[in-house]
Amino acid sequence: AQSVTQLDSHVSVSEGTPVLLRCNYSSSYSPSLFWYVQHPNKGLQLLLKYTSAATLVKGINGFEAEFKKSETSFHLTKPSAHMSDAAEYFCVVRRNTGGFKTIFGAGTRLFVKA
Amino acid sequence: NAGVMQNPRHLVRRRGQEARLRCSPMKGHSHVYWYRQLPEEGLKFMVYLQKENIIDESGMPKERFSAEFPKEGPSILRIQQVVRGDSAAYFCASSPIPRDTGGVDEQYFGPGTRLTVT
Repeated sequence: AQSVTQLDSHVSVSEGTPVLLRCNYSSSYSPSLFWYVQHPNKGLQLLLKYTSAATLVKGINGFEAEFKKSETSFHLTKPSAHMSDAAEYFCVVRRNTGGFKTIFGAGTRLFVKA
Repeated sequence: NAGVMQNPRHLVRRRGQEARLRCSPMKGHSHVYWYRQLPEEGLKFMVYLQKENIIDESGMPKERFSAEFPKEGPSILRIQQVVRGDSAAYFCASSPIPRDTGGVDEQYFGPGTRLTVT
């Protein structure tokens, strides 16, 4: 069975300060992990993905995430928040072999204050 | 290369009517996925289709919902006799044929169709 938990429903940071969005997962299989961003009334855009290569994954817009198997975590970080980063972020886990099963986290809304 | 296209973007239906949502995948993509997003919630998987084949419909409600991806034309998500609880954003995603990476590939999402049932 697979599940994904985003530990914070809302995160608020000031512009220029670091961003940390937390995600824990569980999976009976070797998973692939993704982060997507959704701006208001828009579709989802892929930020980055982990597929069992390097554990530190760099994505678009300065975001990165580290896969930590021992902690079953895949937290998303960015050194310096920008106003345009304000959006909803989804952590996603997907089976790595055969079949199809994609599970979305409930989302974390990021607020960025000027 | 145009992205995933969905239409209409907004759809209003009265209770009991039918809703038809269309999704055109990215060029070269043969796999389509439908998700539903209720207000303040994440996306919930509904169905996974390839051309002329339903691969996984484990997330589809047993009644009133159906999906198809014909040989020609867009994928269609059809909701019959809509009820207020069907009001949601419906997202379509597409991916290419999974590469030899264990069958996993990222999905590219369309802008969604926001269905409102009055």
